[in-house]
Amino acid sequence: GAGVSQTPSNKVTEKGKYVELRCDPISGHTALYWYRQSLGQGPEFLIYFQGTGAADDSGLPNDRFFAVRPEGSVSTLKIQRTERGDSAVYLCASSAGMNTEAFFGQGTRLTVV
Amino acid sequence: GENVEQHPSTLSVQEGDSAVIKCTYSDSASNYFPWYKQELGKGPQLIIDIRSNVGEKKDQRIAVTLNKTAKHFSLHITETQPEDSAVYFCAASKGAGGGADGLTFGKGTHLIIQP
Repeated sequence: GAGVSQTPSNKVTEKGKYVELRCDPISGHTALYWYRQSLGQGPEFLIYFQGTGAADDSGLPNDRFFAVRPEGSVSTLKIQRTERGDSAVYLCASSAGMNTEAFFGQGTRLTVV
Repeated sequence: GENVEQHPSTLSVQEGDSAVIKCTYSDSASNYFPWYKQELGKGPQLIIDIRSNVGEKKDQRIAVTLNKTAKHFSLHITETQPEDSAVYFCAASKGAGGGADGLTFGKGTHLIIQP
């Protein structure tokens, strides 16, 4: 596609439920990043993939959060036992490599009620 | 880890005037400093970036300066236009595209261009 695509654009879920957020990076981009943006704040790094492997997952807040990228393209961010504090915009970005700029998707707004 | 401070949180300028947003960072190993513009309901969009081997970079009405000694970098927008109104974020990382640690962002500046 022309840019990074994230689905759904909005997700409302009940506290305690499981959610999956999808990211389709720009075709050919090997690096993929997930960020979380709370209202009025800058994005916060969650996890970075280089190809299929998670090169750095130090930003994941706890073990309820997990992300996969099984074929080195599409990535899914998975959140178990959602809490109201998980409500935020989840942003995905991709880049062609370590020395190129990162392009962001429009984000998924997650609301936990 | 890296810590990025951004000021001011809100900036209102008259159309046609210049706007300056300032950031400081804490990790001397950081070497890539992008600036992003975010409009309501959209993801951040890269507008300009600078690497640590350069002190200044300009692209039309936008310029960025970097002082590695002081760990400061600034965004300058000249001849501001209504479409410049948005939230601007500075960020820092140890490599382009975020590198292994990803980008560390400031808290953002809401730029308002008054007609």
